[in-house]
Amino acid sequence: QKEVEQNSGPLSVPEGAIASLNCTYSDRGSQSFFWYRQYSGKSPELIMSIYSNGDKEDGRFTAQLNKASQYVSLLIRDSQPSDSATYLCAASASKIIFGSGTRLSIRP
Amino acid sequence: SQTIHQWPATLVQPVGSPLSLECTVEGTSNPNLYWYRQAAGRGLQLLFYSVGIGQISSEVPQNLSASRPQDRQFILSSKKLLLSDSGFYLCAWDWNSGNTIYFGEGSWLTVV
Repeated sequence: QKEVEQNSGPLSVPEGAIASLNCTYSDRGSQSFFWYRQYSGKSPELIMSIYSNGDKEDGRFTAQLNKASQYVSLLIRDSQPSDSATYLCAASASKIIFGSGTRLSIRP
Repeated sequence: SQTIHQWPATLVQPVGSPLSLECTVEGTSNPNLYWYRQAAGRGLQLLFYSVGIGQISSEVPQNLSASRPQDRQFILSSKKLLLSDSGFYLCAWDWNSGNTIYFGEGSWLTVV
C-alpha cells in the first residue's frame, strides 16, 4: 500500500517564527510532490510543487525534497495568522497520493 | 484559464434518499476527473477517477457511483444514502495522471 505520512498536529508556532512541516512517502517511484493548504471548510489549494532534490523557494514558502530519504518538507517563514490551516502533502508516481494533513496554528 | 465548479455547495439529505453532485471543468479538454471524499478531520479518500467520457474507475466499493456523460462533466450519484456518506465531497481535475490536481469548491453533504 503506497502511503504518504504526515504528523496530524496540531503544530503551534508563534507569529513571525518559522513553521516546519514534514512528510514521508513510501513509493520510491514518486516523481512529483505537492503541498496544498486547506482552510477549515474549504477545498485544498496548491501552494507548491517540487520535482527535484533540493530546495524550491516561493515567497515565504520553501519546499525541500530528499528522494534518497523519501522525505518532503515545507518551511513557512515569518508565519502569519493567515497561515493557520491544514497542510496536505502529496506524492505522485502514476497517480497522486495525499497524506492526511498537518494542522498548523499560528499563535499571536 | 481553467476553472472547475461543483454544486450544490451544501445539502442535507435523509437516509435512503438519492444523491447527485455535479462538476464541470472549463477552459480545457479531455481532463482527468476525480471525486474525493473527506470525512470530518480526516484525509482525502479517492472515490472515482475518469480519464475520458464513459471511462470510470472506482477506488472504493460502496453505494456511490460516478458518470461522465460529457468530456468536462463528472457526476457523483447514489440511489440510497447512508449516514456514513456524510462528508465533504471534492471534484478535481488534472491534465495528466500524476501532475498537479486542482480542486473544486467542494460540496458538504450531511445525511440525517
